[in-house]
Amino acid sequence: GENVEQHPSTLSVQEGDSAVIKCTYSDSASNYFPWYKQELGKRPQLIIDIRSNVGEKKDQRIAVTLNKTAKHFSLHITETQPEDSAVYFCADPASGSARQLTFGSGTQLTVLP
Amino acid sequence: DAEITQSPRHKITETGRQVTLACHQTWNHNNMFWYRQDLGHGLRLIHYSYGVQDTNKGEVSDGYSVSRSNTEDLPLTLESAASSQTSVYFCASSGTGVSPLHFGNGTRLTVT
Repeated sequence: GENVEQHPSTLSVQEGDSAVIKCTYSDSASNYFPWYKQELGKRPQLIIDIRSNVGEKKDQRIAVTLNKTAKHFSLHITETQPEDSAVYFCADPASGSARQLTFGSGTQLTVLP
Repeated sequence: DAEITQSPRHKITETGRQVTLACHQTWNHNNMFWYRQDLGHGLRLIHYSYGVQDTNKGEVSDGYSVSRSNTEDLPLTLESAASSQTSVYFCASSGTGVSPLHFGNGTRLTVT
């Protein structure tokens, strides 16, 4: 949980297209993987999370997939809309504590109308 | 509805002054956290607490302190403000075990 890398740092897509953001973690004991969305000037808010015993989770247009072997998890947004434009952060529990999260550096997603 | 409130929303202070940022939550959460957010660095953990009288240092704790005298509050103190501490500060809380973080609205601090 001490090192989580997030890519890309910026992403522009046309409205209606899909967007994928990927995070790689280092601690094989990590078991909880949330994604947060932060609109400009607002607080980060949880949009979806996944536990390590599940490979994929969907909630309408968003989904998270987990590859424990490769130690990465991804956020998928389908049929993107302008209101999806925001900064997205992945997070990974710190080693030994699922209560403490280390955040990725963020991805600025811009959905072009 | 339960919430987490930070005050002030904006603060300008001078180098060397002591500053305290307030965080108050009504979720009755045991876990509380302070993060700072800077461009290019995402959210970095400053201090955290797992309950009353418990405080721990995070990744970027130098120059900051916290105290936890009750469940609801975790004030963050900058002992002697420095320009490098100009940032947006977010307080967050979470419940028992593996659970989502609830963030406050943030405090924008400028040290001149």
